[in-house]
Amino acid sequence: DAMVIQNPRYQVTQFGKPVTLSCSQTLNHNVMYWYQQKSSQAPKLLFHYYDKDFNNEADTPDNFQSRRPNTSFCFLDIRSPGLGDAAMYLCATSRDPRDRLNEQFFGPGTRLTVL
Amino acid sequence: DQQVKQNSPSLSVQEGRISILNCDYTNSMFDYFLWYKKYPAEGPTFLISISSIKDKNEDGRFTVFLNKSAKHLSLHIVPSQPGDSAVYFCAASAANSGAGSYQLTFGKGTKLSVIP
Repeated sequence: DAMVIQNPRYQVTQFGKPVTLSCSQTLNHNVMYWYQQKSSQAPKLLFHYYDKDFNNEADTPDNFQSRRPNTSFCFLDIRSPGLGDAAMYLCATSRDPRDRLNEQFFGPGTRLTVL
Repeated sequence: DQQVKQNSPSLSVQEGRISILNCDYTNSMFDYFLWYKKYPAEGPTFLISISSIKDKNEDGRFTVFLNKSAKHLSLHIVPSQPGDSAVYFCAASAANSGAGSYQLTFGKGTKLSVIP
């Protein structure tokens, strides 16, 4: 089955210790997104890649970076995690962001704990 | 400032009855609305959508109603089934938002419990 895979599902890191979250997709979609969802909050878009073009949301902290080495993989790097970065991180893909529906396909998420 | 609001964190409904999930928005530029459904330990999955040129869209047991003047939409599930128990997210997008693409703004979600 074509899908969006996130590894690991649970990640524990220490305050200030860099951490990388991984996302891969078998859908061959052009766009990959990273969302942050804190408890009982709405998923919040951090950034997305349209092919190799990186698009950062205006209010995404500099502490968050992303890499997309190829179509299938996308990484979220948190350079110096703070306690406020503890959240569920959702990866999603879509075929074409110019498509009006722009249906997004989500992975199961990685829950990040910062100690 | 939340542009998409789901004011009911949770809703309980008896099996077979109607479930009505509500969503309000503040951005008048939003012209496409979507509902996503999320089971525990899974990512959200697309359920149904509606364009602002319509006021109703139906897909099986699921119907979405849009009231543009009130900036309000609702998702009706009839009849509700225990398998419908999940968190439902309302999302909206605006034409020409961000580099010619359509990004989604989500609400906080409503947890629906359908009681057998």
